[in-house]
Amino acid sequence: AQSVTQLDSHVSVSEGTPVLLRCNYSSSYSPSLFWYVQHPNKGLQLLLKYTSAATLVKGINGFEAEFKKSETSFHLTKPSAHMSDAAEYFCVVSPWGFQKLVFGTGTRLLVSP
Amino acid sequence: NAGVTQTPKFRILKIGQSMTLQCTQDMNHNYMYWYRQDPGMGLKLIYYSVGAGITDKGEVPNGYNVSRSTTEDFPLRLELAAPSQTSVYFCASSYKREGRNTEAFFGQGTRLTVV
Repeated sequence: AQSVTQLDSHVSVSEGTPVLLRCNYSSSYSPSLFWYVQHPNKGLQLLLKYTSAATLVKGINGFEAEFKKSETSFHLTKPSAHMSDAAEYFCVVSPWGFQKLVFGTGTRLLVSP
Repeated sequence: NAGVTQTPKFRILKIGQSMTLQCTQDMNHNYMYWYRQDPGMGLKLIYYSVGAGITDKGEVPNGYNVSRSTTEDFPLRLELAAPSQTSVYFCASSYKREGRNTEAFFGQGTRLTVV
């Protein structure tokens, strides 16, 4: 079965400190992996994607994620949080040949001044 | 390039009424999806389609119907609206490259309230 586990429902950081949002996946086949961000009352925006090329993926707004097959993880990081990063973040998996995108339950990032 | 367009953006329905949420994409994507997002929750797949004339159920299909007569359009029909269908609905599209799903492109959502 294909699944995604976002290990933290909420993460709180101070502005200027590093961000780590954790995602583990279960996939029978070589997956594509994505991180999306959703600001309050807005749609979903793609942050970054892994589709079997480089394992370290850089995205928009300074975010990056590393695909670790041995750990079945795809954690999202940013060196220095900004107030505008406060939002809901979703990890998504789609195994090779699979038709659907499987969403995690989301992690709410709170950024304090 | 408009991407994925959903209409309407907001709607209030009375219990028992019906409506159709419209979704159209201009990227020639084969795959299209309907998700619902309840407050504070993630996205749940209602229905999806892998091409014109082909649809399949997702996690939460009860109370909904879809059709896919063209590549561009994927309307979602609510029959006999119930308060449990109060949610934000997102339409999305994607395609496959070398067997892999690309990222999904999302519409801006339809906020539906059933009273």
